[in-house]
Amino acid sequence: RKEVEQDPGPFNVPEGATVAFNCTYSNSASQSFFWYRQDCRKEPKLLMSVYSSGNEDGRFTAQLNRASQYISLLIRDSKLSDSATYLCVVHSGGYQKVTFGTGTKLQVIP
Amino acid sequence: DADVTQTPRNRITKTGKRIMLECSQTKGHDRMYWYRQDPGLGLRLIYYSFDVKDINKGEISDGYSVSRQAQAKFSLSLESAIPNQTALYFCATGLNEKLFFGSGTQLSVL
Repeated sequence: RKEVEQDPGPFNVPEGATVAFNCTYSNSASQSFFWYRQDCRKEPKLLMSVYSSGNEDGRFTAQLNRASQYISLLIRDSKLSDSATYLCVVHSGGYQKVTFGTGTKLQVIP
Repeated sequence: DADVTQTPRNRITKTGKRIMLECSQTKGHDRMYWYRQDPGLGLRLIYYSFDVKDINKGEISDGYSVSRQAQAKFSLSLESAIPNQTALYFCATGLNEKLFFGSGTQLSVL
């Protein structure tokens, strides 16, 4: 089993739709979690941290479920500019133990 | 100007050649990393450095070496390039648990 797993997609959604991605992780000792956004052939950029209590940043909501070992990202009112690959990132101890998911591709369609 | 700068942006080379990829940062971060990204795989850590005198192997260091010339500079070398080192390479700096990436170097080994 991979340490961090994501559905690769692509998720094709119309503008204005709500879309959610999940990411599962295998190490129960994982400590912190993030979502990064990566545009095609560009560098990953931090989108948001994921806190146990859940957190929201505008149209984006991230949640953590430690019992089931998954994190989620919800995007409301999708925009064309949201089209990208979303990477789940899990820290499992020390600044070097960082595991990236392979990413979920989102395509927002006019 | 970018905070994390990688050079070159693209490089095509032949099997057996020595290649150096350079990374410099203006963020003042102590931690620096080299990752590679292959289609269908997550980012994988090659080497990391937590300060100028500190160099550590990541999960896929074989065939690579690094040099931390200064806090701001971290270069990656391929001593004798081989085709399966064809990939997109990213340098990153770290602050707390957040990573900040350069724009990447696409390396093709023929």
